[in-house]
Amino acid sequence: GAGVSQSPRYKVAKRGQDVALRCDPISGHVSLFWYQQALGQGPEFLTYFQNEAQLDKSGLPSDRFFAERPEGSVSTLKIQRTQQEDSAVYLCASSPLRFLAGQTSYEQYFGPGTRLTVT
Amino acid sequence: TQLLEQSPQFLSIQEGENLTVYCNSSSVFSSLQWYRQEPGEGPVLLVTVVTGGEVKKLKRLTFQFGDARKDSSLHITAAQPGDTGLYLCAGAHNNNDMRFGAGTRLTVKP
Repeated sequence: GAGVSQSPRYKVAKRGQDVALRCDPISGHVSLFWYQQALGQGPEFLTYFQNEAQLDKSGLPSDRFFAERPEGSVSTLKIQRTQQEDSAVYLCASSPLRFLAGQTSYEQYFGPGTRLTVT
Repeated sequence: TQLLEQSPQFLSIQEGENLTVYCNSSSVFSSLQWYRQEPGEGPVLLVTVVTGGEVKKLKRLTFQFGDARKDSSLHITAAQPGDTGLYLCAGAHNNNDMRFGAGTRLTVKP
């Protein structure tokens, strides 16, 4: 079946430009996550949606970052006035929201990521 | 800041050797997951552990969750070149707050 897809796979932006990164989650997955992964590091949490509701945006590094998921499916991460420090791989993951042993378990399925380079 | 500390950061071994990598934290997690990531791809889920002391096996991979649910280990038996990759652990509290470690980069030489 189709996995999580992200587009574009690569994006080069000049400093100050706005960019929009798209995520198509697995159909039916309730939860959607965005992460930022710098070179040599693990993914850093940015934001989380449950259906169309953005329940946690505590990881967004500044007000230049904005994410939406208006119909509870496709999500867009927008970065305004890009800076060089925004250069990273942006990963999207979706999850079906399971409960294991009485605990909420987010088994995430990741897309391939968008590599953003700001010059 | 990585809440989860993974060690070693890099590991290079010969095919057929055994290895163990570690994931440690001072926090208690409701669940912990291990992922493997290859260059240019997103992480792929290997296992989820939720119960303290739990051991799960996936072919040559053995995962253990610490009794106190603060740490975990991944043991690989008879490593193969196909096991090469970045191994990430991720812990969750009882909400969506997933935190990843920086990973262990494993290279298995033929």
